[in-house]
Amino acid sequence: GDSVTQMEGPVTLSEEAFLTINCTYTATGYPSLFWYVQYPGEGLQLLLKATKADDKGSNKGFEATYRKETTSFHLEKGSVQVSDSAVYFCALASTSGSRLTFGEGTQLTVNP
Amino acid sequence: SAVISQKPSRDICQRGTSLTIQCQVDSQVTMMFWYRQQPGQSLTLIATANQGSEATYESGFVIDKFPISRPNLTFSTLTVSNMSPEDSSIYLCSVEGGTGVDMFFGSGTQLSVL
Repeated sequence: GDSVTQMEGPVTLSEEAFLTINCTYTATGYPSLFWYVQYPGEGLQLLLKATKADDKGSNKGFEATYRKETTSFHLEKGSVQVSDSAVYFCALASTSGSRLTFGEGTQLTVNP
Repeated sequence: SAVISQKPSRDICQRGTSLTIQCQVDSQVTMMFWYRQQPGQSLTLIATANQGSEATYESGFVIDKFPISRPNLTFSTLTVSNMSPEDSSIYLCSVEGGTGVDMFFGSGTQLSVL
């Protein structure tokens, strides 16, 4: 079945540091890929998405590129801020339906 | 995008009791989804709720434990029945966006069972 694997956390960075959170997936067909963010005490918010190979999703300075050859969708940001502290989830939606399969989540803490 | 109101936002319950969580959407949607997020873990799909039919449950989840109602295209409830401490989790509802690809989530219900 479908699965998503994220890099283990937690991740702690200083403000303005470069961020990479790795995400790889296993799925049949051509899934859509997502990054969701969960701020403390809140529900999930869609951060960015990509629906086909080589697409790049971007939002709020975050980027991720759908790499079919490496089955990856790594999240990057060039300069993180304290306000980026949250849990980040990689997810996929299979071509057969809307249900989402989530990775384990990565806790990011950015210190001033 | 869809605006989802979920309540209660949190509750503390006694073992053996039941809690009903409500999810209201600001637009009509075909499918609504219920997820569970156990402490420190990722989200797991509990069931998919279609209006006018019984919910479809994922492996490991049963209707007797998690009965779901879907009376119309903007509302759904999830009941956590005969609760035990192992049911302490965040429960979230979600709906598809208009594109059919995006999913939007409610703010979640933080449940603690004593």
